[in-house]
Amino acid sequence: EAGVVQSPRYKIIEKKQPVAFWCNPISGHNTLYWYRQNLGQGPELLIRYENEEAVDDSQLPKDRFSAERLKGVDSTLKIQPAELGDSAVYLCASSSDTSNYGYTFGSGTRLTVV
Amino acid sequence: AQSVTQLGSHVSVSEGALVLLRCNYSSSVPPYLFWYVQYPNQGLQLLLKYTSAATLVKGINGFEAEFKKSETSFHLTKPSAHMSDAAEYFCAVSRRGDNTGKLIFGQGTTLQVKP
Repeated sequence: EAGVVQSPRYKIIEKKQPVAFWCNPISGHNTLYWYRQNLGQGPELLIRYENEEAVDDSQLPKDRFSAERLKGVDSTLKIQPAELGDSAVYLCASSSDTSNYGYTFGSGTRLTVV
Repeated sequence: AQSVTQLGSHVSVSEGALVLLRCNYSSSVPPYLFWYVQYPNQGLQLLLKYTSAATLVKGINGFEAEFKKSETSFHLTKPSAHMSDAAEYFCAVSRRGDNTGKLIFGQGTTLQVKP
């Protein structure tokens, strides 16, 4: 079984530029999460999807961040425009059973904003 | 609000020595508790989780953790460290009965294993 696939693995952009991250969850996993992990810290939830619906986006900075999950499968997280403080690792995870915390994390996208 | 504190951002042990990584939680109701490991440039992998009555939880790679309500702790241990255990370890908490799968992570502890 393929795991959660994220791309790109690394991205370096200049501030004020847009950037997008892509996540392909495990087949059949209805729940998808985007977490942000700042250097030296634990991940923090940005948004949670149940199928194609964003059911918890309270931690997503909506002025510059947006996300979508078309057809309830792949998801894209976008930042426009990027700021220096957005440098972090963006992790995607999926789950088939949220009540049992059956998470699988992807390897993440490491974003550097210069 | 729930939170989790990991005592010690860096822990160094010799190969074969006991590994002890500390985690304390703050919650009015005993939460669900987790330990994850993250190897360089990889995602997080679940080591073990506490979601039921059994307070001593055994996980993968020889790790185990004990839930102590009186101490609000969930420390991770391994009797004998191996070089391959060098990684970053995260303790996480979730509200019991939440059913959203949302996790709140600690800041992490980097484990160094010396030969």
